[in-house]
Amino acid sequence: GEEVAQTPKHLVRGEGQKAKLYCAPIKGHSYVFWYQQVLKNEFKFLISFQNENVFDETGMPKERFSAKCLPNSPCSLEIQATKLEDSAVYFCASSQSRDRVDQPQHFGDGTRLSIL
Amino acid sequence: DQQVKQNSPSLSVQEGRISILNCDYTNSMFDYFLWYKKYPAEGPTFLISISSIKDKNEDGRFTVFLNKSAKHLSLHIVPSQPGDSAVYFCAASPHGSSNTGKLIFGQGTTLQVKP
Repeated sequence: GEEVAQTPKHLVRGEGQKAKLYCAPIKGHSYVFWYQQVLKNEFKFLISFQNENVFDETGMPKERFSAKCLPNSPCSLEIQATKLEDSAVYFCASSQSRDRVDQPQHFGDGTRLSIL
Repeated sequence: DQQVKQNSPSLSVQEGRISILNCDYTNSMFDYFLWYKKYPAEGPTFLISISSIKDKNEDGRFTVFLNKSAKHLSLHIVPSQPGDSAVYFCAASPHGSSNTGKLIFGQGTTLQVKP
């Protein structure tokens, strides 16, 4: 597609439940990025993929968070045993390259995760 | 450690006038910088970028200036329009071996353009 598609738009989970978010990157884009935005503050980088391979996972919490980008499927971000502090908007972005100023990241509209 | 800072949380300007949004950074090894605009309940939309080897880039009403010695960049919007009212984020991309593509964002500045 011509835009990054994130589903669902809003996800509500009780504390301790699992949450799974999906992202379909722009067709032809090799790189996928996940960011977390808490309380309208700055975006915190979580993880990036080059096609189906993890490229940089330095921002991912060591426990409970995992992500995948499998061929012919939307990318996913999964949070096990959710905590109240996981409440945030999770943005996915995609780009054709990772280091070209003329090929910026394009963002989806985000998934708002609410943990009750 | 806040590597990219937008010290003005908000800015209000009159329609037709110039809007100047500022951004400071601490890491001299950033490769390039970007500005994104964000409306409520939407994702950030790319506006304009600048390589660290340049000091100015212009695209229509938007111009970004980079002052490397001061570690400062600014976004100029002229003339400002009510539809420009949004939150503006400055972002930076690390250089070299640190360049995995991740962007480091500032806290954002809310711009209000009054008719």
